Amino acid sequence: EVQLQQSGAELGKPGTSVKLSCKVSGYNIRNTYMHWVNQRPGKGLEWIGRIDPANGNTIYAEKFKSKATLTADTSSNTAYMQLSQLKSDDTAIYFCAIEWFAYWGQGTLVTVSS
Amino acid sequence: DIQMTQSPASLSASLGETVSIECLASEDIYNNLAWYQQKPGKSPQLLIYYASSLQDGVPSRFSGSGSGTQYSLKINSLESEDAATYFCLQDSEYPYTFGAGTKLELK
Repeated sequence: EVQLQQSGAELGKPGTSVKLSCKVSGYNIRNTYMHWVNQRPGKGLEWIGRIDPANGNTIYAEKFKSKATLTADTSSNTAYMQLSQLKSDDTAIYFCAIEWFAYWGQGTLVTVSS
Repeated sequence: DIQMTQSPASLSASLGETVSIECLASEDIYNNLAWYQQKPGKSPQLLIYYASSLQDGVPSRFSGSGSGTQYSLKINSLESEDAATYFCLQDSEYPYTFGAGTKLELK
């Protein structure tokens, strides 16, 4: 069974960074792209970017190019997303997903507040 | 970026009815369109991929159709568990883009 287990909720202060994780079981992340998506409170879904864990290649949506940094560790079958220079507008649930979004993590709530 | 215009934003229907949700892409996305169902507090669940292919385990009352720029999700014989928000996603080109969502309420 494929499972994506995301790290717990984060509370970050404005201007700081947080690093989220997404650990995959039942599937080798070398064989897929890892996508990240966010969902602001009461809003729709927004694609942030994706990483190819096999080689580290990344593609970002323009608005997230200076906000998000995607990495992956194939030895632990885990992907990461660092969000930098946090602002209140970054408050959202962040999801990871693989295999053309057939499998999703449970989401990590990031709250930005001083 | 490809814009996905989804309609309606919300709809209310009765058990057993049939409903349709539409997504209009700002350019041809060559059937690279998926549909998701999301319930409150949960992750999205893939229903349909490549415009009309039913994901394993998804009830056959869900179906997708369309081509070019126009796509639709049809739900036959609504059941209470179908109350949710539905999103489309174009994965034809980066950046991938989602429709704004359709909230389906059961009367």
